[in-house]
Amino acid sequence: DVKVTQSSRYLVKRTGEKVFLECVQDMDHENMFWYRQDPGLGLRLIYFSYDVKMKEKGDIPEGYSVSREKKERFSLILESASTNQTSMYLCASGGGGLSSNQPQHFGDGTRLSIL
Amino acid sequence: KQEVTQIPAALSVPEGENLVLNCSFTDSAIYNLQWFRQDPGKGLTSLLLIQSSQREQTSGRLNASLDKSSGRSTLYIAASQPGDSATYLCAVPNTGNQFYFGTGTSLTVIP
Repeated sequence: DVKVTQSSRYLVKRTGEKVFLECVQDMDHENMFWYRQDPGLGLRLIYFSYDVKMKEKGDIPEGYSVSREKKERFSLILESASTNQTSMYLCASGGGGLSSNQPQHFGDGTRLSIL
Repeated sequence: KQEVTQIPAALSVPEGENLVLNCSFTDSAIYNLQWFRQDPGKGLTSLLLIQSSQREQTSGRLNASLDKSSGRSTLYIAASQPGDSATYLCAVPNTGNQFYFGTGTSLTVIP
């Protein structure tokens, strides 16, 4: 069965901290994605990666960076956390234009609170 | 830019009813369309993926249809159950690797 694992379900951090969110997939997918989800705004793409060490900005990359050193792992980094980054963060794997027969699969999400 | 709309935003039905959820998109040049469900505080669960060349996909009590030319997809749920209560989202990828999501329909099935 398909598995996308996010390292934490809930996380509380302080303003100014550097925060790491980890995501691991076991399906050998090229494409991996980081979204944030906020009430009334839906899902918004932060970054995606289409191969190891390759990344592209999504709609809201400001304040975030990503790392993909291995195919199965995609990390989201908040360089200096701010309160407006309090949100639900969702990692996804698979799918995309060139993989059109492949559904996108999601992890359980990380509820991040910045105090 | 692709825009995806889901109407209604919320729907409440008695148990046992058949129901239809709607998804519309502005750019018909899509590779596929995917339906998800999301339970409160959880991630998205993939329900159905319809390729652009297909008109329908079925899984159990769920049936999704796709009409590319009119920019519409529907998710039909037969004999609804309280366990179907969730938010349902549709999503389409663009020619790159970006996905565009609707804001979802929140479904409540009343026992």
